[in-house]
Amino acid sequence: AQTVTQSQPEMSVQEAETVTLSCTYDTSESDYYLFWYKQPPSRQMILVIRQEAYKQQNATENRFSVNFQKAAKSFSLKISDSQLGDAAMYFCAYRSLHLMRFGAGTRLTVKP
Amino acid sequence: GAVVSQHPSWVICKSGTSVKIECRSLDFQATTMFWYRQFPKQSLMLMATSNEGSKATYEQGVEKDKFLINHASLTLSTLTVTSAHPEDSSFYICSAQGGRGNGYTFGSGTRLTVV
Repeated sequence: AQTVTQSQPEMSVQEAETVTLSCTYDTSESDYYLFWYKQPPSRQMILVIRQEAYKQQNATENRFSVNFQKAAKSFSLKISDSQLGDAAMYFCAYRSLHLMRFGAGTRLTVKP
Repeated sequence: GAVVSQHPSWVICKSGTSVKIECRSLDFQATTMFWYRQFPKQSLMLMATSNEGSKATYEQGVEKDKFLINHASLTLSTLTVTSAHPEDSSFYICSAQGGRGNGYTFGSGTRLTVV
């Protein structure tokens, strides 16, 4: 069964610094997508970044980038120049044709 | 961008009554919608996958007769919690799949409190 593991329940970063959130997954499928979602206190799920498994190039979105290691089934999120507004729960997610699974989440705190 | 509207944002109901939650894709057609439940400080738990024009597929352990899902059009899916009990109190979130390769777009969620 496909599982998504986030081993860091909580992380903290100083404002303007860089932080990396870890995610690993388990699958036997070859065609899938990976996502990082942000859930602020409003509880609205916001897509941060996505990665297609068939693409070797790591996805980037402004201050957010991923390190996708397909062989290792690893998908970490790097947040550069952290801002106070980045404080939230971050969920790693796996999606295949008919399935979507979320990790347990990492609570990110940004210190001013 | 893709927008999913979910209503109501919160609802309080008495035990034994039924509550309907709506999820609408406003600017795209959603052939597939998903319903999640989220307990405080926990991750999203997939309850069921709703496909337009066909029966929903429920995850193991989710009572299909209690959580009725209808996806009658390409823009609307509804979740009805029947004969609600206090243990059904939770945060319910829908999401919609708008096209190949798209990340799912989420509704803003519904906080259900059963008293």
